[in-house]
Amino acid sequence: GAVVSQHPSRVICKSGTSVKIECRSLDFQATTMFWYRQFPKKSLMLMATSNEGSKATYEQGVEKDKFLINHASLTLSTLTVTSAHPEDSSFYICSARGFGEQFFGPGTRLTVL
Amino acid sequence: QKEVEQNSGPLSVPEGAIASLNCTYSDRGSQSFFWYRQYSGKSPELIMSIYSNGDKEDGRFTAQLNKASQYVSLLIRDSQPSDSATYLCAVKVSGNTGKLIFGQGTTLQVKP
Repeated sequence: GAVVSQHPSRVICKSGTSVKIECRSLDFQATTMFWYRQFPKKSLMLMATSNEGSKATYEQGVEKDKFLINHASLTLSTLTVTSAHPEDSSFYICSARGFGEQFFGPGTRLTVL
Repeated sequence: QKEVEQNSGPLSVPEGAIASLNCTYSDRGSQSFFWYRQYSGKSPELIMSIYSNGDKEDGRFTAQLNKASQYVSLLIRDSQPSDSATYLCAVKVSGNTGKLIFGQGTTLQVKP
């Protein structure tokens, strides 16, 4: 139980394009999901908290107009990186809150050329 | 600024030894603490959670919590090469947001 999926697992795009990443809780409902970013050899940095039916809460320093989050249902949250640039290249990981814990998706490796 | 501190390592232990990983945190109101294991290129995997002072054992893993000292540790007994990974300490922020603050992680190397 408590499985979280992410799609795609890997994406390469050109600078200036937008990329959408999906996060799904497969066997439980998650009113809250979290989006993290991890640069090489660094820890996870929380970007935003995604709440079903309401606007996401962004951490300080994270541009909400660049990283669009939509929590459309109790099992799906999406992160759209708009007008991606090479400095946005990173490992993006979502987690879903359930049973008092956070369960992580497998991550999405984004490379912006 | 709520913080979680870990020694980044690497911590190197021989196979079969006990590996001891440590973590301190700044938020005195925190009640929930987690240890995650992360292999290179993969997402974190929860291995232990602890909520009360004292020890909690699960197989070869023992988590220890001391809220007065704001200290949480993870012991891995009979370390195996497959335990080589980065171990992330995470502390749930006080309140009801469910947010976790992660330490920078300790890299463990278990040498055969």
